[in-house]
Amino acid sequence: DTTVKQNPRYKLARVGKPVNLICSQTMNHDTMYWYQKKPNQAPKLLLFYYDKILNREADTFEKFQSSRPNNSFCSLYIGSAGLEYSAMYLCASSGGSNTGQLYFGEGSKLTVL
Amino acid sequence: QQKVQQSPESLIVPEGGMASLNCTSSDRNVDYFWWYRQHSGKSPKMLMSIFSNGEKEEGRFTVHLNKASLHTSLHIRDSQPSDSALYLCAASMQGGRALIFGTGTTVSVSP
Repeated sequence: DTTVKQNPRYKLARVGKPVNLICSQTMNHDTMYWYQKKPNQAPKLLLFYYDKILNREADTFEKFQSSRPNNSFCSLYIGSAGLEYSAMYLCASSGGSNTGQLYFGEGSKLTVL
Repeated sequence: QQKVQQSPESLIVPEGGMASLNCTSSDRNVDYFWWYRQHSGKSPKMLMSIFSNGEKEEGRFTVHLNKASLHTSLHIRDSQPSDSALYLCAASMQGGRALIFGTGTTVSVSP
């Protein structure tokens, strides 16, 4: 089973409100990623967990938080949503020796109004 | 500046024809390249990877890599309607887990 599940699939949020997105995988992968995808733009790496170590990209450091309470779950937290956060958020996982083979979830589409 | 650049943005290929996609990294630290395919409404799935100079073939798909120029290309021969998709190129540093993606090339195969 190579399934990565994301919840919710669709999220409507008000400006200034928090947003929490959830991702789970059952492949015992050591690495879990969060990407932000906007129309006609490249998927943008926000952060990734390698085991329990969180790596955040410099330009999104203060905008997104994450937690990984166990190997299977990873969350993405936005403390105060702005209009610019409207996007598709893709979770992915990878493991073993083939670290570049990412398995993506179906995505969580966030709309901020 | 986008570190992984893909061209063309879109491509129309007749069924049975050859599609050629390009990808270049501007980051000299990049060592590995990956190609992902994303069908409409679906999540991206890895298609092929290449780490060494030269060519790699899997079925109708061939990838080339020139490490000196940090350029990779993907070629699809005998294109089928099911090949219509967004093709994403990604790059990473050796041993690195962070994959940086390009904006993609949309391939449309016309019957």
